[in-house]
Amino acid sequence: AQSVAQPEDQVNVAEGNPLTVKCTYSVSGNPYLFWYVQYPNRGLQFLLKYITGDNLVKGSYGFEAEFNKSQTSFHLKKPSALVSDSALYFCAVSLYNFNKFYFGSGTKLNVKP
Amino acid sequence: NAGVTQTPKFRVLKTGQSMTLLCAQDMNHEYMYWYRQDPGMGLRLIHYSVGEGTTAKGEVPDGYNVSRLKKQNFLLGLESAAPSQTSVYFCASRGGYEQYFGPGTRLTVT
Repeated sequence: AQSVAQPEDQVNVAEGNPLTVKCTYSVSGNPYLFWYVQYPNRGLQFLLKYITGDNLVKGSYGFEAEFNKSQTSFHLKKPSALVSDSALYFCAVSLYNFNKFYFGSGTKLNVKP
Repeated sequence: NAGVTQTPKFRVLKTGQSMTLLCAQDMNHEYMYWYRQDPGMGLRLIHYSVGEGTTAKGEVPDGYNVSRLKKQNFLLGLESAAPSQTSVYFCASRGGYEQYFGPGTRLTVT
């Protein structure tokens, strides 16, 4: 069975500090990985994806993520957090045909001024 | 260009009642999805469609039915609502790798 784990329900950082939101996955086959962000009372918005190629991928709003096959991880990072980054972040994985997507439970990011 | 829209935004049902949630997209996407979002559980796939006239089961299909008679619309039906179906429902569509999500429908079953 395919699954995604986000081990932290909540991450707190101070504005200007680097942030990391963790994601690990378990799939049978090559993973295709995604990060989405959800602001209150809104649908999810795409941030970035790893399909193939460079392990470090860059996305919207200054976010980046590193694919680590040996550790089966795809952690989301940003060098300098903004208060406006406060939101709910979801990691997701799909397989070769992209028919189904499996989401993690979400991590609430709080950035304090 | 409205993207993905969902109707209604809110609904309260009594146990045993039925209803249909409508999802519409104007991006000519082949793939459409229905998810439910529950606290601490993330999004779980209910049903999906890979094109007009096709549907398939996701992770949690029981108690739901779907139809995709037109490419732009994906309907989710609850034949006999149960309190366990209280949730926020999201529809999404996909043309490439990225999914585009609607604003959600908050459903309460009493």
